[in-house]
Formats: sequence, C-alpha cells, structure tokens
Amino acid sequence: KQEVTQIPAALSVPEGENLVLNCSFTDSAIYNLQWFRQDPGKGLTSLLLIQSSQREQTSGRLNASLDKSSGRSTLYIAASQPGDSATYLCAVIGASGSRLTFGEGTQLTVNP
Amino acid sequence: NAGVTQTPKFRVLKTGQSMTLLCAQDMNHEYMYWYRQDPGMGLRLIHYSVGEGTTAKGEVPDGYNVSRLKKQNFLLGLESAAPSQTSVYFCASSPWTSERNTQYFGPGTRLTVL
Repeated sequence: KQEVTQIPAALSVPEGENLVLNCSFTDSAIYNLQWFRQDPGKGLTSLLLIQSSQREQTSGRLNASLDKSSGRSTLYIAASQPGDSATYLCAVIGASGSRLTFGEGTQLTVNP
Repeated sequence: NAGVTQTPKFRVLKTGQSMTLLCAQDMNHEYMYWYRQDPGMGLRLIHYSVGEGTTAKGEVPDGYNVSRLKKQNFLLGLESAAPSQTSVYFCASSPWTSERNTQYFGPGTRLTVL
C-alpha cells in the first residue's frame, strides 16, 4: 500500500526566505507526483505535476523535483510572500493510474 | 465555466439520518472522485467513477454509496449517518488517466453528524 509522508507538518518563515517542503513515498512505481495548495476552508488547487519520466517542473517561484528511485520529492519556494501561506499537499498516482494518495500536508505561514 | 461545484456547502445531521451530497462538473471529464479530509489523516478516497454508469470503491467506502447516472454528476449518499462521518468532503474530476492529467477539486462540503 502506497504511503505518502510530508515533512515538516508546519513551517513558519519570515517573508523573503527561500524554503523547501519535503515529500516521500513508499512505492516508487508511480504514474506522476503532484503538489497542491489548499487555503483554509477551500478546495485544492494543483500547483505542479511531475510525470514519472521527469525530474522537475517549474512554475514562477515554485520548483518541484522528483527522485523516483529514492521515493522523494521537494517543493522549493523562492522569495516567499505572505500570500504563499497555505497548506501544501503532495500526492502520487500509483501504477494503476487512477487513484491519488495524499500526504497529510505542510502548513506554511509566511510572516510579513 | 464553473469547474467543479458541490452542494450543499455545510450540513448538520443527527445520527441515523440520511443525506446525499451532489457534485457537478462542466468540463466533460470522464473520471470523478469523492474524498474525505480529516485532521491527521489527510485526504482519503471514498469512491470513484471512471465514466457514466460506473462506480468503484476507494480506500474508505464503508457507510457510503455513490451513483453516476449522468456524466456531469456524481452523488455521494449516506444512508444512516454516524458521528465518525463528520468530515469535510471533496469532490474532484479529471479528463482521464494520464501522466499529464491532474484532478480538479470542488470547494468542499463540511458535514457534522451529532
């Protein structure tokens, strides 16, 4: 059974700092890995999707990497802003290709 | 283009009552999903559908039933609500299964069972 773990569970940083969120998964036979953002009381918004054959994806100040062999992904946020405050969720789709398994998320607070 | 919508947004039930949560998507997606989100447990898949008229069990299906009579709608039913079903329920949809496809989520339904 696939398990996804995110570290740390919560992170508080001052504005402008670069930061890294970590995600690990137990079964390396994945279809893709995705990072989502969830604001309080809201649904999830997809940030980045890395296909199993890819190593990284970038969108603006966000960069996500994937190392399938070690079962790890990182989300790098450059020059953090208070608007980045949210919960960030990592999820993988297994070999069956239809079911996302989520981590519990990292709650990020960026202080002005 | 509303994306994925969920009805209702909030609901309070008494133990033993029944209710149906409605999910609708206007993106012509084939796949639809129901998740529940609980503190310390993350999002867990309840049921999903790979097309109109199909349903399949996810990770935590007990106590729930689903129907996909129309491609754009996915209904989640609780026949006899229990306090353990107090949660936030999210619906999602995706075009099909592909390495390039993500899931699009609705805003959630907050359900409290007393």
